[in-house]
Amino acid sequence: NAGVTQTPKFRILKIGQSMTLQCTQDMNHNYMYWYRQDPGMGLKLIYYSVGAGITDKGEVPNGYNVSRSTTEDFPLRLELAAPSQTSVYFCASSSPSLGQEAFFGQGTRLTVV
Amino acid sequence: GEDVEQSLFLSVREGDSSVINCTYTDSSSTYLYWYKQEPGAGLQLLTYIFSNMDMKQDQRLTVLLNKKDKHLSLRIADTQTGDSAIYFCAENNFNKFYFGSGTKLNVKP
Repeated sequence: NAGVTQTPKFRILKIGQSMTLQCTQDMNHNYMYWYRQDPGMGLKLIYYSVGAGITDKGEVPNGYNVSRSTTEDFPLRLELAAPSQTSVYFCASSSPSLGQEAFFGQGTRLTVV
Repeated sequence: GEDVEQSLFLSVREGDSSVINCTYTDSSSTYLYWYKQEPGAGLQLLTYIFSNMDMKQDQRLTVLLNKKDKHLSLRIADTQTGDSAIYFCAENNFNKFYFGSGTKLNVKP
C-alpha cells in the first residue's frame, strides 16, 4: 500500500540552484496538493491540481512551479532556490468521496544554504 | 487563504482528558478535520465531521462543532503518552484544505 510517495526525503541546496521534488500517488485521486510547513506554523498551500493538465496557485506560490501531466504524478519545481524556501514540503492527494480525506506523503526536508 | 486558529501548546497528565480547540472563518466549509502529526512524519487523518453535524464520537475521540461560533474542538479521553504529537485542525473549502498552525500535545506520565 504505497499511497503518496515523495522523493527525496532530505536535500540541501545552494542558493540559486534548482531542483524538482517528486510526488506520486497510486490511489487514482484527482486532486493533488503541495504544502510547505515552517516551524511552529501550519501548512501553507503552494499549488494544487484538480486533475491531469489542470493546476492552480495556492496561498504561497511564488518561487515554485508545478505540472500535472498524469493523474499519478505532481512534481514541484524550485527554479532559483532561496533561503526562504527552507522548509518541509508535503504532497497530498484526495478524491471527492465521502469525507474527502487528504492522504499525505512523508515529507521532503529541504535546506537552502 | 482561510484563517484557521489554534493554540500552540497543551500539556496534560496521562489518563486525563485533553481538549484541543480551533476556530475557523469560512462557514461554507463542507468538512472539518483533525489530523495528527508525529515527529518526522506526514499528517494522518484522525477524524472528520460533516458541517451539518454538531458532534461525532469515535472511540476515545469526540469532536464538537459549533457552527454559529465557527468553533471546533477535539476531546481525547484517557490520554496516553502515545497521543503526544501535533494536532492540526483543517477545513475543506472548494476542494482545498486549509490548516491551523497545530497544537503540540505533551502527555506527562
